[in-house]
Amino acid sequence: EVQLVESGGGLIQPGGSLRLSCAASGFTVSRYHMTWVRQAPGKGLEWVSIFYSGGSTYSADSVKGRFIISRDNSTNTLYLHMNSLRAEDTALYYCARGLRSDYFDSWGQGTLVTVSS
Amino acid sequence: IVLTQSPGTLSLSPGERATLSCRASQSVSNSYLAWYQQKPGQAPRLLIYGASSRATGIPDRFSGSGSGTDFTLTISRLEPEDLAVYYCQHYGRSPLYTFGQGTKLEIK
Repeated sequence: EVQLVESGGGLIQPGGSLRLSCAASGFTVSRYHMTWVRQAPGKGLEWVSIFYSGGSTYSADSVKGRFIISRDNSTNTLYLHMNSLRAEDTALYYCARGLRSDYFDSWGQGTLVTVSS
Repeated sequence: IVLTQSPGTLSLSPGERATLSCRASQSVSNSYLAWYQQKPGQAPRLLIYGASSRATGIPDRFSGSGSGTDFTLTISRLEPEDLAVYYCQHYGRSPLYTFGQGTKLEIK
């Protein structure tokens, strides 16, 4: 059974750093495109960053230079390293996978990040 | 590319047919348009990819259509469990992935 379990969220002050984890089971992360999508409270979905199966990575302009996506094949885990956090980064962060690059077929339940002083 | 979904909220009765619209600000490839369902308190679930292909396990009450700039998600024979927000999503160049703002489907 495919499972994605996010962790690492919490309350953090503006300017702080946080690392989110997404532990995958039931499949091998290196064979899929793995992505982070966030949802601010009461708002819609916003794509954040992606790690393609081939190794290339891309991020949305809103987080470029502040967030870094990485993957650990040995532990089958996806990460999101978040730096210089801002209030507008407050959201539920989902990880998801895609066999094709154009859509995401399985999603985790999300981890909540709150940026506030 | 900006995706605009309409209506913002749709209120229908069980057994009725729901028609949800997703309009792109410029023509997009059919292959790269997907639809997701997000029930209250849950993660999104893939419904449709490639504009019209149903994802694994999705009932045939859900269907997608459209091309160019206009795409539609149709839910025939609404059930109470269809209460959710529905999002369209496009894979493009800049930004790579764009979501519409969502349509909230209420079941009377």
